[in-house]
Amino acid sequence: KAGVTQTPRYLIKTRGQQVTLSCSPISGHRSVSWYQQTPGQGLQFLFEYFSETQRNKGNFPGRFSGRQFSNSRSEMNVSTLELGDSALYLCASRKDGGTDTQYFGPGTRLTVL
Amino acid sequence: ILNVEQSPQSLHVQEGDSTNFTCSFPSSNFYALHWYRWETAKSPEALFVMTLNGDEKKKGRISATLNTKEGYSYLYIKGSQPEDSATYLCASEDQAGTALIFGKGTTLSVSS
Repeated sequence: KAGVTQTPRYLIKTRGQQVTLSCSPISGHRSVSWYQQTPGQGLQFLFEYFSETQRNKGNFPGRFSGRQFSNSRSEMNVSTLELGDSALYLCASRKDGGTDTQYFGPGTRLTVL
Repeated sequence: ILNVEQSPQSLHVQEGDSTNFTCSFPSSNFYALHWYRWETAKSPEALFVMTLNGDEKKKGRISATLNTKEGYSYLYIKGSQPEDSATYLCASEDQAGTALIFGKGTTLSVSS
């Protein structure tokens, strides 16, 4: 069974630009969550999508948005990039919620110059 | 938003030592507690999902216990090996269908 995949793996952008990251969950998983990881901050929850609807949202500005398609693939968009957006962005999928195990992708390393 | 705390922040042990670390979470509205191991340059790997007070899970030399009444979980590693070097993360969720909220992790370094 294929794992969670994320594209691209590395990305370099400049301030003010926007970026779109993609995540393909494990087949059969309907929930996709996105996290930002920066040094010293740990994994910060961005949002979760379930069956094409945003089910949960973390405490991030509106520049961070996402969506989920009917095949459960998800995209995350960051507009008007700031230097502080440089981070590792991880997505994770699980079947539904509750006690289901959440599986992580390899992440996208975003550098904003 | 849940506040999940992990201690210690980092830990250095010798090969063969046994060690343990703590995850604290709000005991009210508890639903599930997840443990992950995150090795450098890899994805976080799920270790355990725990829900019941007093629950104990084991995977090889790693085990975890859960106390939902007081809001903590312990992760134990018996006879640490260099390959156990990683950051260990816990995450809590307060009801079905909510997000996993992670602690900042405990970074374990095992010297041979």
